Amino acid sequence: AQSVTQLDSHVSVSEGTPVLLRCNYSSSYSPSLFWYVQHPNKGLQLLLKYTSAATLVKGINGFEAEFKKSETSFHLTKPSAHMSDAAEYFCVVRDTGKLIFGQGTELSVKP
Amino acid sequence: NAGVTQTPKFQVLKTGQSMTLQCAQDMNHEYMSWYRQDPGMGLRLIHYSVGAGITDQGEVPNGYNVSRSTTEDFPLRLLSAAPSQTSVYFCASRPLGGGAYGYTFGSGTRLTVV
Repeated sequence: AQSVTQLDSHVSVSEGTPVLLRCNYSSSYSPSLFWYVQHPNKGLQLLLKYTSAATLVKGINGFEAEFKKSETSFHLTKPSAHMSDAAEYFCVVRDTGKLIFGQGTELSVKP
Repeated sequence: NAGVTQTPKFQVLKTGQSMTLQCAQDMNHEYMSWYRQDPGMGLRLIHYSVGAGITDQGEVPNGYNVSRSTTEDFPLRLLSAAPSQTSVYFCASRPLGGGAYGYTFGSGTRLTVV
């Protein structure tokens, strides 16, 4: 079975500084990986997805993620954090049609 | 607007009561699913359906029933609510087929069982 592990439950950055949210995956074959964002008391929004095309995936709102097979990682980055980025982020792998969620990383952005 | 609609948004139940969480989508998606979200545990799959008349269990199905009589609707039933079912519930849908389609999520139902 496939799985994902988000390495940080909480990340705090200052506005204007880079964001790094870490995710490792476990898969016996080429996975489909996603990042979702959930703002407070809201539903989930797809940020980006990896489907075995380009290893560097660009998403919405300036986020991107790089698929590294050798490291089994799919970390989410953004060059400059904005206050509106404060939310919970989920790394997700698709396993036989079902989504398997990581535990989530809460991102705080300080002014 | 096209999307996934969940009702109600909030609900408080007493232990032992029953209720149905509604989920409807207007995108003609074959696949629909229910997740529950609990702090520190991400989202966990309760039940899913790949089309009308077809349902299957996910990771945490106990205490929940589903049916799929139409493509559009996928209700989740709690027959006898328990405090352990206090959670936020999300319905999600996507088209069937190959490729890694992104799912469309509803805005959630926050359920408290007292």
